[in-house]
Amino acid sequence: GENVEQHPSTLSVQEGDSAVIKCTYSDSASNYFPWYKQELGKRPQLIIDIRSNVGEKKDQRIAVTLNKTAKHFSLHITETQPEDSAVYFCAATKDSENYGQNFVFGPGTRLSVLP
Amino acid sequence: IAGITQAPTSQILAAGRRMTLRCTQDMRHNAMYWYRQDLGLGLRLIHYSNTAGTTGKGEVPDGYSVSRANTDDFPLTLASAVPSQTSVYFCASSDAGGPTDTQYFGPGTRLTVL
Repeated sequence: GENVEQHPSTLSVQEGDSAVIKCTYSDSASNYFPWYKQELGKRPQLIIDIRSNVGEKKDQRIAVTLNKTAKHFSLHITETQPEDSAVYFCAATKDSENYGQNFVFGPGTRLSVLP
Repeated sequence: IAGITQAPTSQILAAGRRMTLRCTQDMRHNAMYWYRQDLGLGLRLIHYSNTAGTTGKGEVPDGYSVSRANTDDFPLTLASAVPSQTSVYFCASSDAGGPTDTQYFGPGTRLTVL
Protein backbone atom coordinates (compact mmCIF):
# COMPACT_ATOMS: atom_id res chain seq x y z
CA GLY A 1 0.00 0.00 0.00
CA GLU A 2 0.86 3.67 -0.11
CA ASN A 3 3.36 5.11 2.36
CA VAL A 4 3.74 8.87 2.85
CA GLU A 5 6.71 10.42 4.61
CA GLN A 6 6.86 14.07 5.63
CA HIS A 7 9.80 16.27 6.61
CA PRO A 8 10.63 18.09 8.73
CA SER A 9 8.53 17.10 11.74
CA THR A 10 8.98 20.57 13.23
CA LEU A 11 9.93 23.83 11.56
CA SER A 12 10.53 27.28 13.01
CA VAL A 13 10.88 30.33 10.80
CA GLN A 14 11.04 34.06 11.35
CA GLU A 15 8.00 36.05 10.36
CA GLY A 16 8.35 37.10 6.72
CA ASP A 17 10.60 34.21 5.77
CA SER A 18 9.56 31.26 3.61
CA ALA A 19 8.72 27.76 4.82
CA VAL A 20 8.98 24.54 2.82
CA ILE A 21 7.57 21.15 3.81
CA LYS A 22 8.31 18.09 1.72
CA CYS A 23 6.45 14.80 1.35
CA THR A 24 7.42 11.64 -0.47
CA TYR A 25 5.10 8.85 -1.51
CA SER A 26 5.67 5.28 -2.58
CA ASP A 27 2.79 4.37 -4.90
CA SER A 28 3.43 5.64 -8.43
CA ALA A 29 -0.32 5.30 -9.14
CA SER A 30 -1.17 8.05 -6.64
CA ASN A 31 -2.56 11.03 -8.51
CA TYR A 32 -4.10 13.43 -5.98
CA PHE A 33 -2.12 15.26 -3.31
CA PRO A 34 -3.90 17.56 -0.84
CA TRP A 35 -2.41 19.62 1.99
CA TYR A 36 -4.26 20.25 5.24
CA LYS A 37 -3.68 22.83 7.95
CA GLN A 38 -4.69 22.10 11.53
CA GLU A 39 -4.67 24.93 14.04
CA LEU A 40 -4.53 24.11 17.72
CA GLY A 41 -7.78 22.55 18.87
CA LYS A 42 -9.35 22.75 15.43
CA ARG A 43 -10.16 20.33 12.64
CA PRO A 44 -7.80 19.73 9.67
CA GLN A 45 -8.79 21.94 6.74
CA LEU A 46 -7.76 21.75 3.11
CA ILE A 47 -5.52 24.62 2.05
CA ILE A 48 -4.33 23.53 -1.38
CA ASP A 49 -4.21 20.43 -3.54
CA ILE A 50 -2.64 19.24 -6.77
CA ARG A 51 -3.32 16.50 -9.27
CA SER A 52 -0.66 14.50 -11.07
CA ASN A 53 -1.27 16.20 -14.41
CA VAL A 54 -0.04 19.51 -12.97
CA GLY A 55 3.47 20.37 -11.80
CA GLU A 56 2.73 23.43 -9.70
CA LYS A 57 -0.23 25.25 -8.24
CA LYS A 58 -0.35 28.58 -6.42
CA ASP A 59 -2.87 30.31 -4.22
CA GLN A 60 -1.69 33.67 -2.93
CA ARG A 61 1.14 32.95 -0.45
CA ILE A 62 1.01 29.18 -0.71
CA ALA A 63 2.10 26.89 -3.51
CA VAL A 64 2.50 23.19 -4.06
CA THR A 65 4.96 21.55 -6.44
CA LEU A 66 4.89 17.96 -7.62
CA ASN A 67 7.70 15.84 -9.02
CA LYS A 68 6.14 12.61 -10.26
CA THR A 69 9.43 11.08 -11.31
CA ALA A 70 10.94 11.46 -7.86
CA LYS A 71 7.58 10.86 -6.16
CA HIS A 72 7.66 13.89 -3.96
CA PHE A 73 5.61 17.02 -3.50
CA SER A 74 6.22 20.12 -1.45
CA LEU A 75 4.28 22.91 0.23
CA HIS A 76 5.78 26.39 -0.01
CA ILE A 77 4.60 29.26 2.17
CA THR A 78 6.04 32.67 1.42
CA GLU A 79 6.01 35.79 3.62
CA THR A 80 5.01 33.74 6.63
CA GLN A 81 2.78 35.29 9.27
CA PRO A 82 2.05 34.26 12.87
CA GLU A 83 -1.33 32.88 11.80
CA ASP A 84 0.48 30.35 9.61
CA SER A 85 1.59 28.60 12.81
CA ALA A 86 -0.14 25.20 12.77
CA VAL A 87 0.38 21.54 12.01
CA TYR A 88 0.42 20.76 8.29
CA PHE A 89 -0.46 17.35 6.88
CA CYS A 90 0.15 16.11 3.37
CA ALA A 91 -1.76 13.21 1.86
CA ALA A 92 -1.73 11.04 -1.24
CA THR A 93 -4.44 9.01 -2.90
CA LYS A 94 -5.33 7.44 -6.22
CA ASP A 95 -8.40 6.71 -8.28
CA SER A 96 -9.68 3.32 -7.25
CA GLU A 97 -12.75 1.67 -5.79
CA ASN A 98 -11.11 1.34 -2.36
CA TYR A 99 -11.08 5.02 -1.46
CA GLY A 100 -10.85 4.47 2.27
CA GLN A 101 -7.56 2.66 2.33
CA ASN A 102 -6.06 4.63 -0.54
CA PHE A 103 -6.14 8.00 1.24
CA VAL A 104 -2.90 8.11 3.24
CA PHE A 105 -1.78 11.03 5.42
CA GLY A 106 1.76 12.01 6.27
CA PRO A 107 2.69 12.29 9.98
CA GLY A 108 2.51 16.10 10.03
CA THR A 109 4.83 19.09 10.39
CA ARG A 110 4.49 21.56 13.23
CA LEU A 111 5.26 25.01 11.85
CA SER A 112 6.02 27.87 14.22
CA VAL A 113 6.33 31.40 12.87
CA LEU A 114 8.32 33.52 15.27
CA PRO A 115 7.56 37.27 15.49
CA ILE B 1 -26.90 21.37 8.84
CA ALA B 2 -24.10 22.61 6.66
CA GLY B 3 -21.16 20.32 6.01
CA ILE B 4 -20.21 17.66 8.50
CA THR B 5 -21.12 17.59 12.19
CA GLN B 6 -20.13 15.44 15.13
CA ALA B 7 -21.68 14.83 18.54
CA PRO B 8 -20.89 15.06 21.34
CA THR B 9 -18.21 17.77 21.33
CA SER B 10 -16.56 16.14 24.32
CA GLN B 11 -17.27 13.29 26.69
CA ILE B 12 -15.82 11.79 29.85
CA LEU B 13 -16.55 8.10 30.06
CA ALA B 14 -15.95 5.40 32.64
CA ALA B 15 -13.96 2.40 31.47
CA GLY B 16 -16.17 -0.48 30.42
CA ARG B 17 -19.02 1.73 29.26
CA ARG B 18 -20.43 1.66 25.77
CA MET B 19 -20.29 4.87 23.74
CA THR B 20 -21.43 5.92 20.28
CA LEU B 21 -19.94 8.93 18.55
CA ARG B 22 -22.23 10.43 15.95
CA CYS B 23 -21.29 11.85 12.57
CA THR B 24 -23.61 13.37 9.99
CA GLN B 25 -22.91 15.02 6.65
CA ASP B 26 -25.28 16.78 4.30
CA MET B 27 -23.01 16.98 1.26
CA ARG B 28 -24.18 13.64 -0.19
CA HIS B 29 -20.61 12.38 -0.11
CA ASN B 30 -20.30 8.67 -0.82
CA ALA B 31 -17.27 8.00 1.39
CA MET B 32 -16.90 8.57 5.12
CA TYR B 33 -14.05 7.96 7.55
CA TRP B 34 -13.23 7.87 11.24
CA TYR B 35 -9.79 8.92 12.52
CA ARG B 36 -8.28 9.22 15.95
CA GLN B 37 -5.65 11.79 16.75
CA ASP B 38 -3.57 11.38 19.86
CA LEU B 39 -1.57 14.20 21.42
CA GLY B 40 1.34 15.18 19.22
CA LEU B 41 0.57 12.51 16.64
CA GLY B 42 -1.00 12.35 13.24
CA LEU B 43 -4.31 11.01 12.01
CA ARG B 44 -4.85 7.27 12.23
CA LEU B 45 -7.68 5.68 10.28
CA ILE B 46 -10.04 3.55 12.38
CA HIS B 47 -12.77 2.56 9.93
CA TYR B 48 -14.07 3.80 6.62
CA SER B 49 -17.06 3.40 4.35
CA ASN B 50 -16.77 3.79 0.59
CA THR B 51 -20.53 3.88 0.12
CA ALA B 52 -23.72 3.33 2.11
CA GLY B 53 -24.04 -0.29 3.16
CA THR B 54 -20.30 -1.04 3.13
CA THR B 55 -17.56 -0.56 5.71
CA GLY B 56 -13.89 -1.42 5.99
CA LYS B 57 -11.15 -1.58 8.59
CA GLY B 58 -8.43 1.00 8.78
CA GLU B 59 -5.11 1.05 10.58
CA VAL B 60 -6.44 0.82 14.17
CA PRO B 61 -9.89 -0.85 14.14
CA ASP B 62 -9.69 -2.96 17.33
CA GLY B 63 -12.26 -1.99 19.95
CA TYR B 64 -14.36 0.02 17.50
CA SER B 65 -17.28 -0.75 15.20
CA VAL B 66 -19.14 1.28 12.60
CA SER B 67 -22.27 1.09 10.51
CA ARG B 68 -23.41 2.92 7.39
CA ALA B 69 -27.14 2.46 7.04
CA ASN B 70 -27.53 5.55 4.84
CA THR B 71 -25.43 8.13 3.01
CA ASP B 72 -25.54 10.81 5.69
CA ASP B 73 -24.70 9.03 8.95
CA PHE B 74 -21.63 7.11 10.06
CA PRO B 75 -21.67 6.35 13.82
CA LEU B 76 -18.62 4.97 15.63
CA THR B 77 -19.23 2.68 18.61
CA LEU B 78 -16.89 1.75 21.43
CA ALA B 79 -18.41 -1.43 22.84
CA SER B 80 -16.44 -1.36 26.09
CA ALA B 81 -14.25 1.71 26.44
CA VAL B 82 -10.68 1.47 27.72
CA PRO B 83 -8.33 4.30 28.80
CA SER B 84 -6.17 3.83 25.68
CA GLN B 85 -9.14 5.03 23.65
CA THR B 86 -8.76 8.49 25.14
CA SER B 87 -8.25 10.64 22.07
CA VAL B 88 -9.75 13.21 19.74
CA TYR B 89 -11.94 11.56 17.13
CA PHE B 90 -12.49 13.13 13.73
CA CYS B 91 -15.10 12.07 11.22
CA ALA B 92 -14.53 12.99 7.57
CA SER B 93 -16.30 12.60 4.27
CA SER B 94 -15.35 12.86 0.62
CA ASP B 95 -16.90 12.74 -2.82
CA ALA B 96 -14.55 9.87 -3.61
CA GLY B 97 -14.24 9.14 -7.30
CA GLY B 98 -15.62 12.58 -8.14
CA PRO B 99 -13.76 15.67 -9.41
CA THR B 100 -11.91 15.93 -6.13
CA ASP B 101 -11.12 13.38 -3.48
CA THR B 102 -10.71 15.99 -0.77
CA GLN B 103 -11.69 14.88 2.67
CA TYR B 104 -13.73 17.31 4.74
CA PHE B 105 -13.46 16.95 8.48
CA GLY B 106 -15.95 17.38 11.26
CA PRO B 107 -15.10 19.48 14.33
CA GLY B 108 -14.00 16.47 16.36
CA THR B 109 -15.05 14.74 19.58
CA ARG B 110 -12.70 14.83 22.55
CA LEU B 111 -13.14 11.57 24.46
CA THR B 112 -11.62 10.82 27.84
CA VAL B 113 -11.89 7.31 29.26
CA LEU B 114 -11.18 7.03 32.98
